[in-house]
Amino acid sequence: GENVEQHPSTLSVQEGDSAVIKCTYSDSASNYFPWYKQELGKRPQLIIDIRSNVGEKKDQRIAVTLNKTAKHFSLHITETQPEDSAVYFCAASPSNTGKLIFGQGTTLQVKP
Amino acid sequence: NAGVMQNPRHLVRRRGQEARLRCSPMKGHSHVYWYRQLPEEGLKFMVYLQKENIIDESGMPKERFSAEFPKEGPSILRIQQVVRGDSAAYFCASSPLDRVVTEAFFGQGTRLTVV
Repeated sequence: GENVEQHPSTLSVQEGDSAVIKCTYSDSASNYFPWYKQELGKRPQLIIDIRSNVGEKKDQRIAVTLNKTAKHFSLHITETQPEDSAVYFCAASPSNTGKLIFGQGTTLQVKP
Repeated sequence: NAGVMQNPRHLVRRRGQEARLRCSPMKGHSHVYWYRQLPEEGLKFMVYLQKENIIDESGMPKERFSAEFPKEGPSILRIQQVVRGDSAAYFCASSPLDRVVTEAFFGQGTRLTVV
């Protein structure tokens, strides 16, 4: 079955710097890759997603890139702000199943 | 349009009791997924259901856990004879029928504590 690895597990940056989180997946048939942000005690919230027919997607300060050949995808947050501090999860959805296989999570701390 | 509704938000059970967690999907959504999040860990897929059907239960523990999504009413995740290791946050997500692979909308979760 699908397996998703996420790195780093923790990331600390200064406000205004960029943050990059990387994930790899094992199932080449996976075709949907969302990123979720989870604040303490809250539910995961979708921040951006990408499908396998697209290499890059951007939404304001957030961008995601996908390399299907290498089976990895990355989240880029530019001009980080303290309110970006949270746990971020990547996920992969095996072809047409709808279920999500999550990475282990990255705790991002943005220092003011 | 109300989001995915889960109840209760918090549930305390003694070891050996039963826990019932409910999930009402968003209006128009007929796919329901249950995930478990152990303290300070990621989310683990448990089960995928459509109305009256279990589609994929590959993430469900073999014993004590069951799930259903009846024709009428919410989806239910049932844990029998709970143990301390069942303490976790249980999240439900739903997605619409016409687009299987699309964003999943998560509920607020049920935080189960076994004492």
